[in-house]
Amino acid sequence: AQKITQTQPGMFVQEKEAVTLDCTYDTSDPSYGLFWYKQPSSGEMIFLIYQGSYDQQNATEGRYSLNFQKARKSANLVISASQLGDSAMYFCAMRNTGGFKTIFGAGTRLFVKA
Amino acid sequence: EAEVAQSPRYKITEKSQAVAFWCDPISGHATLYWYRQILGQGPELLVQFQDESVVDDSQLPKDRFSAERLKGVDSTLKIQPAELGDSAMYLCASSLATGTVGGYTFGSGTRLTVV
Repeated sequence: AQKITQTQPGMFVQEKEAVTLDCTYDTSDPSYGLFWYKQPSSGEMIFLIYQGSYDQQNATEGRYSLNFQKARKSANLVISASQLGDSAMYFCAMRNTGGFKTIFGAGTRLFVKA
Repeated sequence: EAEVAQSPRYKITEKSQAVAFWCDPISGHATLYWYRQILGQGPELLVQFQDESVVDDSQLPKDRFSAERLKGVDSTLKIQPAELGDSAMYLCASSLATGTVGGYTFGSGTRLTVV
């Protein structure tokens, strides 16, 4: 069965510092995709970054990068140069390629301090 | 920028009443998803449509929940009768097709409170 685990309920980071949000996953399928979404207090889910299981390089999107360690089944999100607007819930998610369902972790709440 | 439209934004209803949510996906997106997000948890898939067909409704409580996407465009999710435990955020999302590489586009959600 597929599972996403986010063990950090809350994280604090100083503005302009980098922060790593942890995500581990479990699947028996060889082909899958990993995602990170941001959910501000307004409620909408914003897609941030995607990593395919066969991608050789870690994905990057602006200040977001995904530290993908396939053997350890981890897909940590790194946010560089944190901004006050980064304060939000962050969800890690997984979908088997060609599959129908994306499953989400429980989320990590990030607080950026001025 | 194209977006997924949802309404209403907020809904308060009494238990045992019927309630309905509407979603209009991005034009051209064949796949539509309804997720439920209980406070403090991640979203959970309720139902997924490919065009007008349901491809996954395994987590939909079918005794009280129903969903339709009659013309393969917009969709309605209904709860009848509502229960206190249905209080949650209901999120709609769309993508070009099932299995599309990349993330979904989500709407702003409907926050339901059952009293």
